[in-house]
Amino acid sequence: EAGVVQSPRYKIIEKKQPVAFWCNPISGHNTLYWYRQNLGQGPELLIRYENEEAVDDSQLPKDRFSAERLKGVDSTLKIQPAELGDSAVYLCASSSRTSQNTGELFFGEGSRLTVL
Amino acid sequence: QKEVEQDPGPLSVPEGAIVSLNCTYSNSAFQYFMWYRQYSRKGPELLMYTYSSGNKEDGRFTAQVDKSSKYISLFIRDSQPSDSATYLCAMTLGGFQKLVFGTGTRLLVSP
Repeated sequence: EAGVVQSPRYKIIEKKQPVAFWCNPISGHNTLYWYRQNLGQGPELLIRYENEEAVDDSQLPKDRFSAERLKGVDSTLKIQPAELGDSAVYLCASSSRTSQNTGELFFGEGSRLTVL
Repeated sequence: QKEVEQDPGPLSVPEGAIVSLNCTYSNSAFQYFMWYRQYSRKGPELLMYTYSSGNKEDGRFTAQVDKSSKYISLFIRDSQPSDSATYLCAMTLGGFQKLVFGTGTRLLVSP
């Protein structure tokens, strides 16, 4: 079974440029998460989707960040314009109702963003 | 003050040592406690999960929760170089939909 797939793995951009990250969750997982992990820190939730509905976006900086999950499968996270402080690893994760009972999120390898 | 505190390390031990990793937390309402392992340039993966207080053992790993002290631990017996990774504690109020992670402790096991 394929895991959570993210792309690109690495992205270097100049500040004020836009950037987008893509995530394909594990097949059948209805819940999808975007986390941000700063260097030396734990992941912090940005947004959670149940199918195609964003049910928790309280931590998403909505002035520059946007996300979508069309058809309740793949998801895209966009930053426009990027700022120096956005440099981080953006992790996508998914879970099923079964895996949620044990607190298990399945993470992708992340997209590492460097803003110059 | 962060909700979950964890010493960032690095913690360096020789192969075969017993390792103790710890987290403290401030929200007494947390009910579910997890340990995730994260290898360099990889995503975290669930290692252990416990509910409320008590111990749970899985092979060389033991997770311990002391809710009265708001303190959780992960013990690794007979540590191996392959255990070298960052260990993240995580906890939630319930429903498993919003995990709060610690900063992670980097563990280095030398042969």
